[in-house]
Amino acid sequence: DAKTTQPPSMDCAEGRAANLPCNHSTISGNEYVYWYRQIHSQGPQYIIHGLKNNETNEMASLIITEDRKSSTLILPHATLRDTAVYYCIVRVASIQGAQKLVFGQGTRLTINP
Amino acid sequence: NAGVMQNPRHLVRRRGQEARLRCSPMKGHSHVYWYRQLPEEGLKFMVYLQKENIIDESGMPKERFSAEFPKEGPSILRIQQVVRGDSAAYFCASSPLGHKEAEAFFGQGTRLTVV
Repeated sequence: DAKTTQPPSMDCAEGRAANLPCNHSTISGNEYVYWYRQIHSQGPQYIIHGLKNNETNEMASLIITEDRKSSTLILPHATLRDTAVYYCIVRVASIQGAQKLVFGQGTRLTINP
Repeated sequence: NAGVMQNPRHLVRRRGQEARLRCSPMKGHSHVYWYRQLPEEGLKFMVYLQKENIIDESGMPKERFSAEFPKEGPSILRIQQVVRGDSAAYFCASSPLGHKEAEAFFGQGTRLTVV
């Protein structure tokens, strides 16, 4: 799986948009970008994923650059409950079945009141 | 639809005992993954199983650790002769068969403490 690079920590004010960057310059054509988060010591929570088009769901938006070498996760209106470690993961998608997720160190996002 | 269920949530074992961690995947999911998270560290992949098959065990320690996912029943992660260094949170995730993009859903973990 391709390596990803994320800033170790970020701060954001409550109510503002949180933009979390991720570099994945060695991503392959068949690799998707996934985002997960881990709140305190809970199990990781799926947020969103995409291949090359921008994606949006009820939790967040994912912006992938045209060359696919980087992406940004956007939490449009951050709340205190969004404080967590956010993981950007690239993963091969195969019809034989979903492949393992390889977690890096992630970004520790702190939402400040 | 219940999520991924792990039990027990907390497990205390004395050094040398065996620990058995159970994971029931989401309904309709036939892929299971186990991860370990040491205190203040990230999640490390251990093993990936499908029903009755180990697909990838590249993250499993060579000794004392084993995993299975039988045709019926939950997946089991078994740690024999536990040592203090095995104290960690163990997370299980599941995903469905045949969906190449399928996201994996995680359970709440089992926190193993070896005393």
